[in-house]
Amino acid sequence: DQQVKQNSPSLSVQEGRISILNCDYTNSMFDYFLWYKKYPAEGPTFLISISSIKDKNEDGRFTVFLNKSAKHLSLHIVPSQPGDSAVYFCAATLPTNAGGTSYGKLTFGQGTILTVHP
Amino acid sequence: NAGVTQTPKFQVLKTGQSMTLQCAQDMNHEYMSWYRQDPGMGLRLIHYSVGAGITDQGEVPNGYNVSRSTTEDFPLRLLSAAPSQTSVYFCASRRAAMNTEAFFGQGTRLTVV
Repeated sequence: DQQVKQNSPSLSVQEGRISILNCDYTNSMFDYFLWYKKYPAEGPTFLISISSIKDKNEDGRFTVFLNKSAKHLSLHIVPSQPGDSAVYFCAATLPTNAGGTSYGKLTFGQGTILTVHP
Repeated sequence: NAGVTQTPKFQVLKTGQSMTLQCAQDMNHEYMSWYRQDPGMGLRLIHYSVGAGITDQGEVPNGYNVSRSTTEDFPLRLLSAAPSQTSVYFCASRRAAMNTEAFFGQGTRLTVV
């Protein structure tokens, strides 16, 4: 049961253009969403996040949008740069009052390989 | 700052061998997790812990054991390695508070032959 899904395995974009990475989730209890970036042979690094009480969060070239009714979030990168080429993972967590120990879990999507061409 | 440290970085095992992947964090984080990354499968949760002495299973726990005797350490044990356990393993830690991100180690690339 894949609760967090990234349906696009890869995305290719020209330098300077916008990159839009998408993520869908099924569990309406998720209350915090994160994006991670991963380069080959390195661990994932945190990029940007959004709480379920917001619909947008911006940090420099990166903006995350959350549409709770559609259970959909997206990451926009403007302008895209060749150094942004990496695998991007979205992830979600449950609130601390979730049952059992499930609040300790971070559930990830399958990842999208972004390639930004010079 | 060391952050999350995983050892070893690379390991080759024969089928049936056992081994322990080490994970240590120096940030006093309560939550720790183990993931495996396989092509097309993303990061799948193996086991996680919300504090010393408390562990729980993730999506793909079979063939793996964990224990959490201290806040700092969260070792992952492969009981009898199988080729299906060939993967890249990541350990992560996170502070027990609302809206916190996880910090990852550099990964352990394991090959089982």
